[in-house]
Amino acid sequence: DVQLVESGGGLIQPGGSLRLSCAASGLTVSSNYLTWVRQAPGKGLEWVSLIYSDGSTYYADSVKGQFTISRDNSKNMVYLQMNSLRAEDTAVYYCVRLQFDPSGFYFYFDYWGQGTLVAVSS
Amino acid sequence: EIVMTQSPATLSVFPGERATLSCRASQSVRTNLAWYQQKPGQAPRLLIYGASTRATGIPARFSGSGSGTEFTLTISSLQSEDVAVYYCQQFNDWPPLTFGGGTKVEIK
Repeated sequence: DVQLVESGGGLIQPGGSLRLSCAASGLTVSSNYLTWVRQAPGKGLEWVSLIYSDGSTYYADSVKGQFTISRDNSKNMVYLQMNSLRAEDTAVYYCVRLQFDPSGFYFYFDYWGQGTLVAVSS
Repeated sequence: EIVMTQSPATLSVFPGERATLSCRASQSVRTNLAWYQQKPGQAPRLLIYGASTRATGIPARFSGSGSGTEFTLTISSLQSEDVAVYYCQQFNDWPPLTFGGGTKVEIK
């Protein structure tokens, strides 16, 4: 069974930094596309960042230059380093696998972690 | 960036009745569209991908249709456990991977 377990969230002051972790089991992070999706309190879903199996990384414009996604293949973990945090970064952050069907044409987010809450406030 | 717009924002349906949710893309996404269900306090769950293919374990009362810019998620006979927020997401042109704003489904 695939499991994604996030950790590292908490209360942080504006301007601070936080690193989120995603522990994967049942899949190998180096062979998968893994993403971070966030959800502000009472709001919708927002894609944040993606790391491909080849190590390429992509970011939403709202976090580009501020967040960094990475992985540790030996630990089967994915990380999201978040710097210069602002109140608008307050959200539950989900670690999600981006999968594609056998045709390679259709993509979807199939496995989601339970999320970790990041609250940016003074 | 492809903007996804969902309507209505809230949908109230009698138990056993049909619920029809809409999703519109600002430009064609062909059939590269997925639907998710999110219940309160839970992570989203994949319902539909490729606009019309049900994910593993999803009941047959959930169906998706559409292509290009107009998509529909239909719940043929609403059950109490279907109360949730439903999101569409496009995978045709990314990054960014964009979601609709969601439709909240309630029991009338």
